[in-house]
Amino acid sequence: EVELVESGGDLVQPGRALRLSCAASGFTFDDYAMHWVRQSPGKGLEWVAGIRWFGATMGYADSVKGRFTISRDDAKSSLFLQMDSLSPADTAIYYCAREMLARSAPASPFDYWGQGTLVTVSP
Amino acid sequence: SYELTQPPSVSVSPGQTASITCSGEKLGNKYASWYQQKSGQSPVMVIYQDNKRPSGIPARFSASNSGNIATLTISGTQAVDEADYYCQAWDTSFVVFGGGTKLTVL
Repeated sequence: EVELVESGGDLVQPGRALRLSCAASGFTFDDYAMHWVRQSPGKGLEWVAGIRWFGATMGYADSVKGRFTISRDDAKSSLFLQMDSLSPADTAIYYCAREMLARSAPASPFDYWGQGTLVTVSP
Repeated sequence: SYELTQPPSVSVSPGQTASITCSGEKLGNKYASWYQQKSGQSPVMVIYQDNKRPSGIPARFSASNSGNIATLTISGTQAVDEADYYCQAWDTSFVVFGGGTKLTVL
């Protein structure tokens, strides 16, 4: 059974950094592109970043470009999001999500989502 | 940047048909997906590649995508279908979500 478990969310002060993790199981992790999607309180879904199955970064949302870095460790079946220079606007639940098609070009939907981890940025 | 626009809310009576639209420039030239998110839960994919249902998604969920509009249709809407619905498409290597539509089953 596919499972994605996020961790690392916390209450942090503006300007600080945080690293999120997503532990994957139940599938061959290194065959799939992975993404981070966030949801601010009471708001909609916002794509944050994606990384291809072979490790190349797909891109970042303009709102996080230059501050966030997505990475993966296939040996540990884990996805990461390094978040620097955090601001209150980054307060959200962060989900990791798997693309549906293995080893595919960009265009695959997200068939599995984790339960999310809450990041709160506040003085 | 590419944008997808959804109505903020749609209301439907139980047993009736609900339609939720998603508009974007030449959206019909892209694959559209739809996600259901119930209160306090993670999103669940209900439609992919314009009109395909993942296993486990009831047949009352259907969709289409043509021109600038993708439409999610829920036939015989049930109370359990009350949720937020998001459309999603790709713009080159970037993922775009619509703003979401709150479906209320009155």
